[in-house]
Amino acid sequence: GAGVSQSPSNKVTEKGKDVELRCDPISGHTALYWYRQSLGQGLEFLIYFQGNSAPDKSGLPSDRFSAERTGGSVSTLTIQRTQQEDSAVYLCASSLAHRGTAFFGQGTRLTVV
Amino acid sequence: ILNVEQSPQSLHVQEGDSTNFTCSFPSSNFYALHWYRWETAKSPEALFVMTLNGDEKKKGRISATLNTKEGYSYLYIKGSQPEDSATYLCAPYNQGGKLIFGQGTELSVKP
Repeated sequence: GAGVSQSPSNKVTEKGKDVELRCDPISGHTALYWYRQSLGQGLEFLIYFQGNSAPDKSGLPSDRFSAERTGGSVSTLTIQRTQQEDSAVYLCASSLAHRGTAFFGQGTRLTVV
Repeated sequence: ILNVEQSPQSLHVQEGDSTNFTCSFPSSNFYALHWYRWETAKSPEALFVMTLNGDEKKKGRISATLNTKEGYSYLYIKGSQPEDSATYLCAPYNQGGKLIFGQGTELSVKP
């Protein structure tokens, strides 16, 4: 596609439910990142995929968070048993190569009620 | 995780003022530094990618310099306009690193 696409753009969920956030990166981009921005905070790194290498999961805040990238393209971020503190904007970015300029999607605003 | 610091955290200027802010990062194993601009209700967009010590980049009224030996970069905006209002983020890469952002400098330009 022309840019990084994320869906849904908004998601309201009840505490304790699982959610899946999707990211469709720019075609051919080998690197993919997930970040989140909580209210009043900066961009918090969550996870990084690069080609066929094992993902760097060092930013995932708890074991309720997981992500996968299928076929080196689409990625899904899953949050299990959501908590109110998970409410944030989740941003996905992709880049052509390791350490290349990142292009961001529009984000998914997650609200846990 | 890299320790990236940006200052000031926020800045309020009048239209026409020139301003600058700082990004500090570990100088060891440096590979590149990215600057991004993040406007409200939009996605972050890349401004500059800087790799060499002494690099200077310019885009219109915005410019940036890089000192890899001491681990800092300055972003300058000449003659600020209301449309420059945004959060400016820096993100260094080190050898084998991923893209980690600083907390950003939030710039507000009043007409």
